[in-house]
Amino acid sequence: ELKVEQNPLFLSMQEGKNYTIYCNYSTTSDRLYWYRQDPGKSLESLFVLLSNGAVKQEGRLMASLDTKARLSTLHITAAVHDLSATYFCAVDMPSGTYKYIFGTGTRLKVLA
Amino acid sequence: DVKVTQSSRYLVKRTGEKVFLECVQDMDHENMFWYRQDPGLGLRLIYFSYDVKMKEKGDIPEGYSVSREKKERFSLILESASTNQTSMYLCASTPLGQIDNEQFFGPGTRLTVL
Repeated sequence: ELKVEQNPLFLSMQEGKNYTIYCNYSTTSDRLYWYRQDPGKSLESLFVLLSNGAVKQEGRLMASLDTKARLSTLHITAAVHDLSATYFCAVDMPSGTYKYIFGTGTRLKVLA
Repeated sequence: DVKVTQSSRYLVKRTGEKVFLECVQDMDHENMFWYRQDPGLGLRLIYFSYDVKMKEKGDIPEGYSVSREKKERFSLILESASTNQTSMYLCASTPLGQIDNEQFFGPGTRLTVL
């Protein structure tokens, strides 16, 4: 079965701390995506990772991809309250299938 | 700037009603998708379409149908709504042939079936 697993599912952290969200996937994939979702809102694209070793950074968030380990990480540096949201990773299936598999999401709460 | 719009943000329907959810994108994307999102289950694909009049079943198509008569519009139809179809419905689109295949999501429709 094709799976994308995230951990942790819930994360409560203090402002100023660092933490990492992990995304494991069970199938070969060309691309990995990270999205953010605020309560009651839709998904906002954060990063698209296209190759092994890819690293992208935006503000306090940094995403990386290890295709050999089938693992992506989303690292949060010096968290602030505004980063509180649910974060999803997703992979797209082999070319031609037009399907994406999403993880169940990590709900992050940053405490002031 | 890609824009994906959905016809309603909130919808309340009764069991047995026929329900139409509309999605429109303005960037000439070939691929369009319908997902439902439930707590603890992430996003699950209902149907997708890669061209006008073309559709493919996703992982949970039962109880749903779709229509794509024009490239910019993808409709999700609940033939006879049931309470277990209460959920958040998200539409997305993506262009064909781009290296990143990034999906762009609409704002979502929160459907309640009573």
